[in-house]
Formats: sequence, C-alpha cells, structure tokens
Amino acid sequence: GAVVSQHPSRVICKSGTSVKIECRSLDFQATTMFWYRQFPKKSLMLMATSNEGSKATYEQGVEKDKFLINHASLTLSTLTVTSAHPEDSSFYICSARDRGRDQPQHFGDGTRLSIL
Amino acid sequence: ILNVEQSPQSLHVQEGDSTNFTCSFPSSNFYALHWYRWETAKSPEALFVMTLNGDEKKKGRISATLNTKEGYSYLYIKGSQPEDSATYLCAFRGLDGNNRLAFGKGNQVVVIP
Repeated sequence: GAVVSQHPSRVICKSGTSVKIECRSLDFQATTMFWYRQFPKKSLMLMATSNEGSKATYEQGVEKDKFLINHASLTLSTLTVTSAHPEDSSFYICSARDRGRDQPQHFGDGTRLSIL
Repeated sequence: ILNVEQSPQSLHVQEGDSTNFTCSFPSSNFYALHWYRWETAKSPEALFVMTLNGDEKKKGRISATLNTKEGYSYLYIKGSQPEDSATYLCAFRGLDGNNRLAFGKGNQVVVIP
C-alpha cells in the first residue's frame, strides 16, 4: 500500500528556532500533499495544500511567512516553522493522495513540536 | 467553515459487543466521505472512501453506510476486539473543495477485554 514517511517524529527546541519537517511519499508520486495541525481535543485542521512545482495554497488564518511550504518534487514536501514560539507547539501531520475520486489520503506518522 | 460532527466523542465497549457511531456532514455539495482509523503512535489508516448515496462498504468486522441526502454516515464494528481500540475519523470532501478534507473530531473507541 501507499506509504508516507514524515520526519522528525518529535522536536524540542528553543524559541526563535526554525524547524523543518519533511513529508515523503515512498512508493507513489504525489502531486498534492496536505499539511494539518491538531490542537488538543480538536480535529485535524488543514493548514495548507502543497502542490508540486507551484506555490502552496494556505487556509484562511494560516500565516504564509510563518509556515513555509516547499514541494520541490513529486515525492517530497517540507514544512518549515520559522522563528518558532511556544504557541507554535502542536502536532503536525502530512498526507498525500493518489488521483481519483475514491482514493483516500495517506498519512505520515506526524511530528510533535515543542517550543520551549 | 464546514461542520463535520462525530458522536459520541468517546465510548467504551465490552469485548465481543457490537457498536456504532455517527458522522454528520453538510448535505449539499457532497463529493466524498472518508473514514480513517487512527491508533495511538501510528498514522491514520484509510478504511473507506464513500461516494454514492446508499453506499455500504465493509472491511472485516467494520462496515459503513452513507446517506448523502440527509448528511450522515454510520460506522459499525461487529464483535469488538481489543485491537479495534482507536480513534475513528470521518472527513468530508465537497464538490468545490479542491481535494481538501474537513475532519470531525473523531470517535474514540476503547474495547475492554
């Protein structure tokens, strides 16, 4: 089955640090990947849609300059949390989809980000 | 903002019992309804993608139904086993969503041996 790999799984760093999270589709090509954030006891919230070879589409309220997304190839998208602060601490998870109406999204394992 | 509601939020089920829970979603502009199972320390795993009103899908002891006219889907677990313990997420995809999914908060199921 389709596998999505996400790294790192956990990051603890100081305030002001920029953190890069990678999302790779291992056995299929993903022209579209998605980045989600989950707050405690809340649903997965879509942050942005990452499109290979073009700019990401951000959801309303998500700061483009804070959350930089790059989708340089058909198998890799990266999310960089720039100058992270404690309020950016959260669970971030990516997914990728195959083409077709009845195709699901395939998720990475997620990244737990803690900013001290 | 799309409203996708799941109920109950959490439930405890005795091993061997059957259970079901609900996902409600907008009944207009329907394109697809997804169900995922999310076990602790793992990634969400796709269960079903449902596209047609009246769809029924089955995977082992888990099955799902879909009513797009009234905007709800049921997920059933027959003869619950401890390995069924997980959070079950549903997600709505609209016609104008550009592949985006709107997730509910999930149904957290704990199967008691």
